[in-house]
Amino acid sequence: DAKTTQPPSMDCAEGRAANLPCNHSTISGNEYVYWYRQIHSQGPQYIIHGLKNNETNAMASLIITEDRKSSTLILPHATLRDTAVYYCIVRVHGDKAAGNKLTFGGGTRVLVKP
Amino acid sequence: DAGVIQSPRHEVTEMGQEVTLRCKPISGHNSLFWYRQTMMRGLELLIYFNNNVPIDDSGMPEDRFSAKMPNASFSTLKIQPSEPRDSAVYFCASRRRGSNEKLFFGSGTQLSVL
Repeated sequence: DAKTTQPPSMDCAEGRAANLPCNHSTISGNEYVYWYRQIHSQGPQYIIHGLKNNETNAMASLIITEDRKSSTLILPHATLRDTAVYYCIVRVHGDKAAGNKLTFGGGTRVLVKP
Repeated sequence: DAGVIQSPRHEVTEMGQEVTLRCKPISGHNSLFWYRQTMMRGLELLIYFNNNVPIDDSGMPEDRFSAKMPNASFSTLKIQPSEPRDSAVYFCASRRRGSNEKLFFGSGTQLSVL
């Protein structure tokens, strides 16, 4: 699975959009981009995933560049409850050899401030 | 949906004692994962099961660690004998058949080995 690079931490203001970058310059054509987050004292929580098209759900939007070498997770209106560590992961979809396992890196520690 | 249920929530034991962590996956999910999280090493995949069969246990640190999944609704992770360096948060996660992207994590077991 391709490696990802994320800033170790970032702050954002409550009510504003939070834009979380992720670099995955070695991503291959069949690898998806996944985002999870981990709120303090909880298990990781799935947010969103995509291949090459932008994706949106109730939690966030995922913008993937045309060359797929980077992506941005957007939390449209950050709240204090969005304070968490956010993980960007790339992995092959349906790769039985890889066993469909997710490998978590260091993530970005996001602090939403009032 | 009760989610992934782990027990106990906290475990404090003395070095050399046997520790058993328990996990009940979400009903209908056919894959189960055990992760360990420490400050130093982050989230590490220990082992995962598909249809109750262990697929990849390469993350299991030593022979002191063993995991079983006797049926689709229950799994255990056992450490015998436990050591202080085993102190960590242990997470169990499950995934639905055909859903490569979404892992649902439990709340974890905080293990302290004195």
